Amino acid sequence: AQKITQTQPGMFVQEKEAVTLDCTYDTSDQSYGLFWYKQPSSGEMIFLIYQGSYDEQNATEGRYSLNFQKARKSANLVISASQLGDSAMYFCAMRGGSGTSYGKLTFGQGTILTVHP
Amino acid sequence: GEEVAQTPKHLVRGEGQKAKLYCAPIKGHSYVFWYQQVLKNEFKFLISFQNENVFDETGMPKERFSAKCLPNSPCSLEIQATKLEDSAVYFCASSQGSRIMNTEAFFGQGTRLTVV
Repeated sequence: AQKITQTQPGMFVQEKEAVTLDCTYDTSDQSYGLFWYKQPSSGEMIFLIYQGSYDEQNATEGRYSLNFQKARKSANLVISASQLGDSAMYFCAMRGGSGTSYGKLTFGQGTILTVHP
Repeated sequence: GEEVAQTPKHLVRGEGQKAKLYCAPIKGHSYVFWYQQVLKNEFKFLISFQNENVFDETGMPKERFSAKCLPNSPCSLEIQATKLEDSAVYFCASSQGSRIMNTEAFFGQGTRLTVV
């Protein structure tokens, strides 16, 4: 079984500063994918960034980067130069590579990020 | 289409009534997933399809929930005899078939079901 844990129910950051959202995972799969999604108050799910379990380099997408530490089973999202529009709920998710977890996204509980001006 | 289309956006049903939700995946995507999100919190997986075949239904409360993905038709999720606890946002997502583990799931806008 797969599990994603996000231990920060809420985070606050000042505009233009960087913030790290924590995510740890548990899986017995050798091959898996890790994803971050943003859900603004309007409710849609926006894909941000992906990291494969065999990728040696941390993924980056614009202001988003993923701090992947495989041995610690963590996949933290780093948002640099925060903007007011970054205020939203953020979900960490995992996609398994075998058995019943194949293809299925397992989500964490989410972290609400609030960016202050 | 280029986006996952879910209808309706909002649905209100009296307790005990039937609710039917629809999802048109992105053209060319062979996997479809249904999730339930209660109170803006974590997502509960319900069921997935590979084309028209059920791939994984481990999350489905089978006594009242059913789902289909038929060729040339939108996928559907049906709840018979809705209960208050079924009130949630139901998301549909689709993914390409190849290297699914490495590709993101594209989500629809969701259907907000309110059972009164």
